[in-house]
Amino acid sequence: QSALTQPPSASGSPGQSVTISCTGTSSDVGGYNYVSWYQQYPGKAPKLLIYEVTKRPSGVPDRFSGSKSGNTASLTVSGLQAEDEADYYCTSYARSDNELFGGGTKLTVL
Amino acid sequence: EVQLVESGGGLEKPGGSLRLSCVASGITLSDVWMSWVRQAPGKGLEWVGRIRKQAEGVTTDYAEHVKGRFTISRDDSKNTLYLQVNSLKSEDTAVYYCAKYNTARGFDHWGQGTLVTVSS
Repeated sequence: QSALTQPPSASGSPGQSVTISCTGTSSDVGGYNYVSWYQQYPGKAPKLLIYEVTKRPSGVPDRFSGSKSGNTASLTVSGLQAEDEADYYCTSYARSDNELFGGGTKLTVL
Repeated sequence: EVQLVESGGGLEKPGGSLRLSCVASGITLSDVWMSWVRQAPGKGLEWVGRIRKQAEGVTTDYAEHVKGRFTISRDDSKNTLYLQVNSLKSEDTAVYYCAKYNTARGFDHWGQGTLVTVSS
C-alpha cells in the first residue's frame, strides 16, 4: 500500500494558523476514524499530538487540532510559535490490519 | 511513567541478521499492543509491524516490505520486545523505534530509537 500524501513543506508567521493535509483513500483515512498526528524534532523520537482524528492527549496544547473530510485528514496549528518548527507526520489504520504513515511535512515558522 | 529503551543496532553486512531489543518500564508489555517503526536517514517514518497483547493471542502483523524477513516477539519475563531482522538489505538502514500502540490511540509512547546500518 502507498504512503499517505502530505505536502513536503508548510510555513507561517508567529501567531498565524497553518493547516497540514494528509490524503489517503477509502481503505485507510476515509474508512476509519483512526488518524493520528505526530511532531518530530531533528534527532528526536516522534511525539503524539492527535489521535482518533480530533482527540488530544493530555499535555498537548489546544493550539493543535485535527479534522477529517472524506479521504483527507488535516492538522491545524493555531497561534504559531517558534517551537512549533518541526516535522509533522500523519498515520492511519488501513485495511488488512496495516498502518500507513504520511511522508511528513516540514513546518517552518517564518 | 512509561519508558522504552531500544538497543541492538549497529553495522551489519547485506544478508546478515540482527536482533533489536526494547526494554519497557512503567507498563507491562503483555497487557498492551506494541509496534516497531523505522526511519531511514533523512526520510519519513515507516511502520514495520505490531504485536498484540497476551489476551488477544499475541498475534503479529507486518508491513508488506518486511514480511518473511522480520519477526516481532516478546519475552514477558523480561518485559522486553524484540525485532529479529534477517536477510538485511541496504534499504533497511534506519533508526528503529519501538512504540506502545493501539489502533485508536496510535503510537502514544516511543523509545529513543536504535540505528541499524547495512553496508558491506
